[in-house]
Amino acid sequence: DQQVKQNSPSLSVQEGRISILNCDYTNSMFDYFLWYKKYPAEGPTFLISISSIKDKNEDGRFTVFLNKSAKHLSLHIVPSQPGDSAVYFCAASADYKLSFGAGTTVTVRA
Amino acid sequence: DVKVTQSSRYLVKRTGEKVFLECVQDMDHENMFWYRQDPGLGLRLIYFSYDVKMKEKGDIPEGYSVSREKKERFSLILESASTNQTSMYLCASSFSGVGSTGELFFGEGSRLTVL
Repeated sequence: DQQVKQNSPSLSVQEGRISILNCDYTNSMFDYFLWYKKYPAEGPTFLISISSIKDKNEDGRFTVFLNKSAKHLSLHIVPSQPGDSAVYFCAASADYKLSFGAGTTVTVRA
Repeated sequence: DVKVTQSSRYLVKRTGEKVFLECVQDMDHENMFWYRQDPGLGLRLIYFSYDVKMKEKGDIPEGYSVSREKKERFSLILESASTNQTSMYLCASSFSGVGSTGELFFGEGSRLTVL
């Protein structure tokens, strides 16, 4: 049973606009949440993380929001750039293991 | 610069062959992991290891085994490859201890095709 879910398989956004990616989880024991970005034929690279005791973390154009009561997190990318076109994975950590969602493919249109 | 290196980027094997996927990390990390990535399924954990000679089953260990004889090296073995093991295989490592968020450092992946 998948503990981390990304229900939107794809997202198309215009360059300069905001991209919002969503993620839901079921396990209350997760203590960190992470977002990874993946280009084709490459390994995933770490983007940003948030502790379960926080509700927001910001790093440049990337902001992650955590709503523990709803077991929901989101990644905001603003402004979106062509180089942001990739697959984004949401992940949650417990006991040093990461559980991943299925991914959302983001396409940034010029 | 942190580095996780996977020995082969692309492999083509025949059904029934034994396949070795090798992974080496240079960060002195305690934890190492093998995932496979399939479209629509995300990354699924096959096996992981918290220390030398230790191994734990992940979510989909069937048809796979692993070996960790040295801290920096973690091998994935397909004893008898099958077509449903055609996939992208990703090795990763992480450190344990204070300040760890569980962040994984990934290799570039090994694309395995089983004919």
